[in-house]
Amino acid sequence: AQRVTQPEKLLSVFKGAPVELKCNYSYSGSPELFWYVQYSRQRLQLLLRHISRESIKGFTADLNKGETSFHLKKPFAQEEDSAMYYCALNNPISGGSNYKLTFGKGTLLTVNP
Amino acid sequence: DAGVIQSPRHEVTEMGQEVTLRCKPISGHDYLFWYRQTMMRGLELLIYFNNNVPIDDSGMPEDRFSAKMPNASFSTLKIQPSEPRDSAVYFCASSLRRGPLPTDTQYFGPGTRLTVL
Repeated sequence: AQRVTQPEKLLSVFKGAPVELKCNYSYSGSPELFWYVQYSRQRLQLLLRHISRESIKGFTADLNKGETSFHLKKPFAQEEDSAMYYCALNNPISGGSNYKLTFGKGTLLTVNP
Repeated sequence: DAGVIQSPRHEVTEMGQEVTLRCKPISGHDYLFWYRQTMMRGLELLIYFNNNVPIDDSGMPEDRFSAKMPNASFSTLKIQPSEPRDSAVYFCASSLRRGPLPTDTQYFGPGTRLTVL
């Protein structure tokens, strides 16, 4: 069964320190992974997707199929990065004609001044 | 576009009462999703629609929950009767399928915070 695990519920770092939010997945096919973010009093929104290989707000995430991981990293955390971060796995259903996202339970990141 | 709209933003009700949550997706989007967020279980998909048709309702917890999408611009999630364990934030999201690849961003509404006393 498809599963997304975010082992840390809470993560606290100081401003300027590197940050890594861990995400591991369980999926038999070729995975498609995303990071969504929810800032305080804002909507949940897409941060980045692995297929785009992009860096958004200084964050990057590399898919490691050997370790079945998709960790989110930023070399120098900023206070405005404080938010709830969700890792999500896109898995097709109905023979591939439809799909749905399976979310991890989220990691609350706090960046202290 | 105002994005996905949900109402009410907050709902407080008593156990046994019927609760109806509403969602208006982004115009033109063909997928609509209902999620529930709790501290214990995180973000769970309850049900989703494609072109107003329910595709997967395996996440609906029990028969007390029902969802409808009478047209492309409106969906409801109903809980009858409500119970204290239904207290959570309920999110609606919509997306637009582009071609055969299911790599579509979901756009979330602000959520409805439900408290059942």
